[in-house]
Amino acid sequence: GAGVSQSPSNKVTEKGKDVELRCDPISGHTALYWYRQRLGQGLEFLIYFQGNSAPDKSGLPSDRFSAERTGESVSTLTIQRTQQEDSAVYLCASSFLGPSTDTQYFGPGTRLTVL
Amino acid sequence: AQSVTQPDIHITVSEGASLELRCNYSYGATPYLFWYVQSPGQGLQLLLKYFSGDTLVQGIKGFEAEFKRSQSSFNLRKPSVHWSDAAEYFCAVGGAAGNKLTFGGGTRVLVKP
Repeated sequence: GAGVSQSPSNKVTEKGKDVELRCDPISGHTALYWYRQRLGQGLEFLIYFQGNSAPDKSGLPSDRFSAERTGESVSTLTIQRTQQEDSAVYLCASSFLGPSTDTQYFGPGTRLTVL
Repeated sequence: AQSVTQPDIHITVSEGASLELRCNYSYGATPYLFWYVQSPGQGLQLLLKYFSGDTLVQGIKGFEAEFKRSQSSFNLRKPSVHWSDAAEYFCAVGGAAGNKLTFGGGTRVLVKP
């Protein structure tokens, strides 16, 4: 597609439920990133995938958060037993790793509200 | 650890006036620097980026930024602001290709008619 797409655009869930957020990167982009943006704040890095390498999970805030990516395509971010503090916009980005460039292109985000 | 500071949380500017947004970073190696804009209800859009070479970088929508290594700064400027520039602006720093980005807290720009 023309850009990074994410679904759903909005998700409202009850505390304690599990949620899955989906990201479709730009075709041909080898790297995929997840970030979280809490209301009125900047973006926090969550996790990074690059090809078949082990993902960089250093930003995941707890073991309730996990993510998968199949090859160089779709990624799913799963949050188990959601808490109110998980309410945020979850942004996905992808990039093509060239010799000296790594510009990340962002999707529109999924706004998660945990009641 | 890498970090980015955007000292101004809000800036109000009159339409047609100049704009400068400050960004200071901390990074242990050669930084890759980015400015993104986030308009209400929209995703992040890349304005410009610095990887190497000329320290004055031109971007889209008439924006430019200057990398000053001695000051660890990458300030964003626009000579004449348009009402459509009202948005939130984020500065970010990363390392070699494939590294995560660290974002500043953002600066919200309001444009007065």
